[in-house]
Amino acid sequence: QKEVEQDPGPLSVPEGAIVSLNCTYSNSAFQYFMWYRQYSRKGPELLMYTYSSGNKEDGRFTAQVDKSSKYISLFIRDSQPSDSATYLCAMSAYGAQKLVFGQGTRLTINP
Amino acid sequence: NAGVTQTPKFRILKIGQSMTLQCTQDMNHNYMYWYRQDPGMGLKLIYYSVGAGITDKGEVPNGYNVSRSTTEDFPLRLELAAPSQTSVYFCASSYSGTQGYEQYFGPGTRLTVT
Repeated sequence: QKEVEQDPGPLSVPEGAIVSLNCTYSNSAFQYFMWYRQYSRKGPELLMYTYSSGNKEDGRFTAQVDKSSKYISLFIRDSQPSDSATYLCAMSAYGAQKLVFGQGTRLTINP
Repeated sequence: NAGVTQTPKFRILKIGQSMTLQCTQDMNHNYMYWYRQDPGMGLKLIYYSVGAGITDKGEVPNGYNVSRSTTEDFPLRLELAAPSQTSVYFCASSYSGTQGYEQYFGPGTRLTVT
């Protein structure tokens, strides 16, 4: 079993839809949970960060962490074509060190 | 600030050749990392460094070597290139775990071994 599981998609939705991206994990020591966004032929960039359980909102993006279920989610509201990218979940027990990444979900928002 | 820079952007190697992928950061980060990303896969850690002179293996270190003589530079050496090393390589840097949580990535080097 992989330490972090993420559905690779691809996922294609119409503009304006609500998008839900998810990851599950097996290591109960993980405390730092992140979502990175990677545009085609670019390096990943940090999109959202959550420490421990709970929700965090930033504009159209909401990150949720449920440690009891070992499940994290990223919601995108009012999705835009510019949101088309690969979204990678990442998590760690030690902050920036030793991040474990999911496979990434390739998302396309159709105008 | 340029952030994390990588050279070259693209490279084609023949089987058995060697090369060095260069990585430089100007953010005075202690920690630096090398990842590889295969199509449809996430990032796999090859090597990392917590400071000049200190390096350690990640998940997939075989076939690679690193050195860290300065805070800014963290080159990755491929010896005896094999087709299995065809991938996109990303360098990243960060503050230490107690000072931050974000890794900053370079633009990547696309390597093909034929």
